[in-house]
This record gives sequence, structure tokens and C-alpha cells, in this order.
Amino acid sequence: KQEVTQIPAALSVPEGENLVLNCSFTDSAIYNLQWFRQDPGKGLTSLLLIQSSQREQTSGRLNASLDKSSGRSTLYIAASQPGDSATYLCAVMNHNTDKLIFGTGTRLQVFP
Amino acid sequence: ETGVTQSPTHLIKTRGQQVTLRCSSQSGHNTVSWYQQALGQGPQFIFQYYREEENGRGNFPPRFSGLQFPNYSSELNVNALELDDSALYLCASSLGVGKGSYNEQFFGPGTRLTVL
Repeated sequence: KQEVTQIPAALSVPEGENLVLNCSFTDSAIYNLQWFRQDPGKGLTSLLLIQSSQREQTSGRLNASLDKSSGRSTLYIAASQPGDSATYLCAVMNHNTDKLIFGTGTRLQVFP
Repeated sequence: ETGVTQSPTHLIKTRGQQVTLRCSSQSGHNTVSWYQQALGQGPQFIFQYYREEENGRGNFPPRFSGLQFPNYSSELNVNALELDDSALYLCASSLGVGKGSYNEQFFGPGTRLTVL
């Protein structure tokens, strides 16, 4: 059974810091991995999608890496800003399914 | 191109009642998935519909049921509401079933259900 874990559960950093959020999964037979952002009480905004054959994806100040064999992904946020404050969720899609299995998220606060 | 929309935004019901939540898929998408997100948790998969047929179900009881219509909009119905059903309900649309980059799921803003 696939399980997704995110560490840390919460993170508070000053503006301008570079930071790394971690995601691990127990079954490496995934089809893809997605990182989402969720603002309080809101829906999910897709940030980056990495196919299982890929090693990383970049979008602006965000970079996500995937090491499928070790069951790990990281989301790197460069030069953090207060507007980056949100909960970040990672989710994997196993082979032959179309359902996403989510971690419990990392709650990020960036203070000025 | 319109994104995924959900209605209503908020809903308050009492235990034992029934509720229907609605979702309009992103234009061109033929697959809709429903998730339940309890406070402080990640979303949990309820079920998925592809071209009006159920295409996978998570660990939810039969009182959770759904429909997908020919225009690919969808409903989630919950009967005999329980206090633990209080959550944010999210729908996500995607294109196709199975392999391919089109499996990326796009989420709506969610419906906040409170059961008293």
C-alpha cells in the first residue's frame, strides 16, 4: 500500500531564504508525482508535475526533483517571499490508477 | 478556457441528512475525481468517473455515490451524513484514463461541508 510522508510538517523562515521541502513514498512503482500549493480553506494549485521518467522540473523559483528508486522528491523554493506562505502537498499516482495519493503537507510560513 | 468549478462553496447540514455537491470539469476533460480532505490532512480519494462510468473507488462506504453527466460535469452525493463527513470536498478533472501526461489533475476550489 502506497504511503506518502512529508517532512517537516511545518516550517517558518525569514524572507529571502532558500528552502527545501521533502516528500517520500513507499512504493516506487509510480507514474508521476505532483506538487501542489494550498492556501487556507482553498483548493489545490498544481505547481509541478514530474513524470516517472524525469529527474526534475522547474518553474520560476521552484524546482522539484524525483529519485524514484529511493522513493524521494524534494521541492526547492529559491529566495522565499511572504506570498509563498501556504501548505505544500505532494502526491503520487501509482501505475495503472488515476488516483492521487497525498502526503499530509508541509505548512510554510515566510515572515518579512 | 474555464477551470474547474464547484458549488456550493459552503454547506451546513445536520446528521442523517443527505447532500449533493457539484463540479464542472475543465473544458475538454472527460475524467473527474473526487477527494475528501479533513482538517489538517491530505486529500483522500473517494472515486473517479470516466465518460460517465465509475473508474475506481477509494475506501469510502456506499453512502458516498456519484454521477457524471454527458457534458462531463459531476455530482457527489452523500447519504445519512455523519459528523466525520465534515471536510473540504475537492473535485479534480483530467483528460483520459491510464498512461500519459494528460493524467495531470486540475482541482476546483472545493466545497466546505459542515455536519452538525
